[in-house]
Amino acid sequence: DQQVKQNSPSLSVQEGRISILNCDYTNSMFDYFLWYKKYPAEGPTFLISISSIKDKNEDGRFTVFLNKSAKHLSLHIVPSQPGDSAVYFCAARNSGGSNYKLTFGKGTLLTVNP
Amino acid sequence: GAGVSQSPSNKVTEKGKDVELRCDPISGHTALYWYRQRLGQGLEFLIYFQGNSAPDKSGLPSDRFSAERTGESVSTLTIQRTQQEDSAVYLCASSSGRYNEQFFGPGTRLTVL
Repeated sequence: DQQVKQNSPSLSVQEGRISILNCDYTNSMFDYFLWYKKYPAEGPTFLISISSIKDKNEDGRFTVFLNKSAKHLSLHIVPSQPGDSAVYFCAARNSGGSNYKLTFGKGTLLTVNP
Repeated sequence: GAGVSQSPSNKVTEKGKDVELRCDPISGHTALYWYRQRLGQGLEFLIYFQGNSAPDKSGLPSDRFSAERTGESVSTLTIQRTQQEDSAVYLCASSSGRYNEQFFGPGTRLTVL
């Protein structure tokens, strides 16, 4: 039973355009959400996060939006650059006792074409 | 180096053999995590160590899996009597506290023939 779902396994965009990566979750106990980026043969690296008390968090070209009622979050990258090509994982953490555990989605492979 | 390191980077083994995977966390990080990523899947939590507290082993898939960590140093993940379904990338992460950002190592790709 997947609690964090990334329904698009891949996304292709042109350089300079906006990339939108989506993530849905089912566990209403999740209160903190993270995006990780992963290049081949490397471990995931933290990109940006958002707490459930916010609906938007921005860091440079990256913005994460959270819609709690829809249990949906999205990562916007604008403008997209070829170096952004990687697998992006959405992850969530709950507010309970095991709040160190991250639950990950399956990832979305983003390809930014020059 | 300053990051999390893991060894070996690749391991091919025969079904039924035991394997040991190693993780060197970032110096000073009290929390250490093991995850597994099977092909086409997200990362699955396996085990969590925090200082000298009892580890959270709730993610270990069977009693063939075990992990140790001495203090705040190196951790080893051991898989006994490997099965083909154990084939995956095993990722280690460390953080300076349970709420803090997890820094991942490059992973060990395990292939069980």
